[in-house]
Amino acid sequence: DAGITQSPRHKVTETGTPVTLRCHQTENHRYMYWYRQDPGHGLRLIHYSYGVKDTDKGEVSDGYSVSRSKTEDFLLTLESATSSQTSVYFCAISRTSDTQYFGPGTRLTVL
Amino acid sequence: TQLLEQSPQFLSIQEGENLTVYCNSSSVFSSLQWYRQEPGEGPVLLVTVVTGGEVKKLKRLTFQFGDARKDSSLHITAAQPGDTGLYLCAGARSSNTGKLIFGQGTTLQVKP
Repeated sequence: DAGITQSPRHKVTETGTPVTLRCHQTENHRYMYWYRQDPGHGLRLIHYSYGVKDTDKGEVSDGYSVSRSKTEDFLLTLESATSSQTSVYFCAISRTSDTQYFGPGTRLTVL
Repeated sequence: TQLLEQSPQFLSIQEGENLTVYCNSSSVFSSLQWYRQEPGEGPVLLVTVVTGGEVKKLKRLTFQFGDARKDSSLHITAAQPGDTGLYLCAGARSSNTGKLIFGQGTTLQVKP
């Protein structure tokens, strides 16, 4: 299994508070991705990174920002959490091709 | 706009039955992956197909990539309760960024 960890694994927060989710990899893979998974929608790409300090938006990026200051860490920030951001968030990594390896996920509840 | 349509979305069968899950698109993909996800865990890669017409087998699972690289299928022979889970197909439009487009998923339940 690819070495990917996500923290925290579960979080409950209130509307309007900032939240940061962390993805850490030990595989030295170039590409990293943040997805959200919701019933009926499958996995939707929020943001992705193709190298340190190189990031780009995915299909559902509104309300989210990311940072990648080191190869191994990719942070997802909700500046002001809303109830619509209640979801399960997955991080994924990829070396050079299309194949992605996923972390265990973070379940976020915004009250 | 859902570029990858999976069908069926839900499937409940008895142990020993065969089944096929379809993943269809009007777009051409450079490659297509199939993942399996269990509750509370992240998706796990089953297979990647890259060549039109390619067939790959993984024990009782057979994966096929369409000749035009627009569709794919997953066939399970003699399903077992351990096959229960969410099956996801994902297509890559370009190999430059590794970005994938996921289907909605097929929830499979195999009853003993």
